[in-house]
Amino acid sequence: DTEVTQTPKHLVMGMTNKKSLKCEQHMGHRAMYWYKQKAKKPPELMFVYSYEKLSINESVPSRFSPECPNSSLLNLHLHALQPEDSALYLCASSPGLLGQGVRGPQHFGDGTRLSIL
Amino acid sequence: SQQGEEDPQALSIQEGENATMNCSYKTSINNLQWYRQNSGRGLVHLILIRSNEREKHSGRLRVTLDTSKKSSSLLITASRAADTASYFCATDDRETSGSRLTFGEGTQLTVNP
Repeated sequence: DTEVTQTPKHLVMGMTNKKSLKCEQHMGHRAMYWYKQKAKKPPELMFVYSYEKLSINESVPSRFSPECPNSSLLNLHLHALQPEDSALYLCASSPGLLGQGVRGPQHFGDGTRLSIL
Repeated sequence: SQQGEEDPQALSIQEGENATMNCSYKTSINNLQWYRQNSGRGLVHLILIRSNEREKHSGRLRVTLDTSKKSSSLLITASRAADTASYFCATDDRETSGSRLTFGEGTQLTVNP
């Protein structure tokens, strides 16, 4: 079991649909992340929220819209996706800065497997 | 873009043998982390080594870091079938702001029973 919970586990949607991915953590972490991962490749960073504010957007297309309603929740709203957007979407959280400038490890959920028809 | 390179890309060994994976990177780092990913699951943090550390142990894991060569290695001793997974190194780079990790391409480890 992971401490970061992602729902749904699987999602199939058409290119005109609107759906949302959800992520929740209760570890008190103040940094939360969205990654996209294709098969046999490393995760690619999409967005970072730090203290509920968007701090990094890696030039992600506007058809992906992140939202951080509070410190425990992170959403990714999807609209008008393309077939190439099919991938595993991972959420992660981290404590942010620890002592001596060391940023803590990231805790990942098990992801949402997204298929675009 | 991914700055880390890992080798080998794939490694197949027998249970009980040791597995060594290598990671190279290009920038100055705060720390380097190793993660494991089982098929269909998320990444699990294994170990973090700071830039001023040279070696770290955790159970059957041993990580080394050589900042002069910008490289790290992960050694798994006495491997088990359950160690079968993809292993990624990730660097926390000094030049980047925020909590951004740069992942390597990963090593697929298969441990045969």
